[in-house]
Amino acid sequence: GEDVEQSLFLSVREGDSSVINCTYTDSSSTYLYWYKQEPGAGLQLLTYIFSNMDMKQDQRLTVLLNKKDKHLSLRIADTQTGDSAIYFCAEITPSGNTPLVFGKGTRLSVIA
Amino acid sequence: DTEVTQTPKHLVMGMTNKKSLKCEQHMGHRAMYWYKQKAKKPPELMFVYSYEKLSINESVPSRFSPECPNSSLLNLHLHALQPEDSALYLCASSHLGDGTDTQYFGPGTRLTVL
Repeated sequence: GEDVEQSLFLSVREGDSSVINCTYTDSSSTYLYWYKQEPGAGLQLLTYIFSNMDMKQDQRLTVLLNKKDKHLSLRIADTQTGDSAIYFCAEITPSGNTPLVFGKGTRLSVIA
Repeated sequence: DTEVTQTPKHLVMGMTNKKSLKCEQHMGHRAMYWYKQKAKKPPELMFVYSYEKLSINESVPSRFSPECPNSSLLNLHLHALQPEDSALYLCASSHLGDGTDTQYFGPGTRLTVL
């Protein structure tokens, strides 16, 4: 079955880099996503990576995918207080019953 | 433009009320979704509409009734809800009707059932 695991909490100092990790189980995943949710808001698509890629960079965000280990990470460079939010890892599972499977979310706290 | 809009932003209703949540997208997406999200939890899929037809119902109680009047609109009709139904209700859409591509989410409706 499909399962996505994330650590629940991460605390970093402003200006440092943040790395949020995720592991998944479905080897048929096609796309893997990072969504950001600020308090009281909906889910904002932050970035995504296709399963045949190893890395994707978009300004302060770097996504690394290790398909062999089924490990996905999101690195935020120069973390700012506005980055404080919950970050959900998610995968598209063509072989599963649920189209998009979410992890439980990592709460990132940025200390000024 | 990747905008999904939802109305209302907040809704408070009693257990005997009937209300509706609305969702709209003008991106030409052929799949639309309703999710329920409780505090500090990931979204839980409720319904999927593909090409305006209900394709997935995740065993949702009948007091929630979805409707897709056309390819841009998705409604969720609420009747005789319980306090435990209080949550953030999120709508999403994706380009492909088979649900195999990126989902874009709306801002959600915060529902409180008294």
